[in-house]
Amino acid sequence: QVQLQESGPGLVKPAETLSLTCTVSGVSIRSYFWSWIRQPPGKGLEWIGYISYSGSTNYNPSLKSRVTMSLDTSRNHFSLRLTSVTAADTAVYYCARSVPGTMDYWGQGALVTVSS
Amino acid sequence: QSALTQPPSASGSPGQSVTISCTGTSSDVGGYNYVSWYQQHPGKAPKVMIYEVRQRPSGVPDRFSGSKSGNTASLTVSGLQADDEADYYCSSYAGSNNPVVFGGGTKLTVL
Repeated sequence: QVQLQESGPGLVKPAETLSLTCTVSGVSIRSYFWSWIRQPPGKGLEWIGYISYSGSTNYNPSLKSRVTMSLDTSRNHFSLRLTSVTAADTAVYYCARSVPGTMDYWGQGALVTVSS
Repeated sequence: QSALTQPPSASGSPGQSVTISCTGTSSDVGGYNYVSWYQQHPGKAPKVMIYEVRQRPSGVPDRFSGSKSGNTASLTVSGLQADDEADYYCSSYAGSNNPVVFGGGTKLTVL
């Protein structure tokens, strides 16, 4: 079955770059679109962006200047980079498979704290 | 604030029905039939319960149903059970410049 797993540092210093990877099993990332979503502690969900099977991207306008997503088809994973982080970027970061109109498979989430 | 508006809380007794609303605009909810509803239990990842306004993924009980009228989508949970107690989020396609927008979430309490 389709499974996604986020990985990366749980603590990032202010002004540095947050980097996360989502490893996918059960399906090739050469198919579908793949999204990142985040959820600050005690708050709601925010879509960060998606990357397609061909590598094209679409980012939330509010984060666009700081976000980069990429694919590694050889390892069947995709990645998120968020630059110049502040405490407001502290959140649980989820990766998910995107199909038209919805996100049907989600990772368990990775808490990233921005603190010195 | 969130692009889509949901009530912060809803409640019902076991066996009852409850409906949660999700209000957007003609640029998102009203303009496309791509509304989804997600259930999130504490400490867990969201799970899609409804997609394309009213479609249920395999494995989701038919006690969960979705609908839309104009710029407002709704999720109805019938025959409330204790395990339905969770946060519920709506989302909608909102065009190519910002494809995914979420509601602020509704905490459903089963009394």
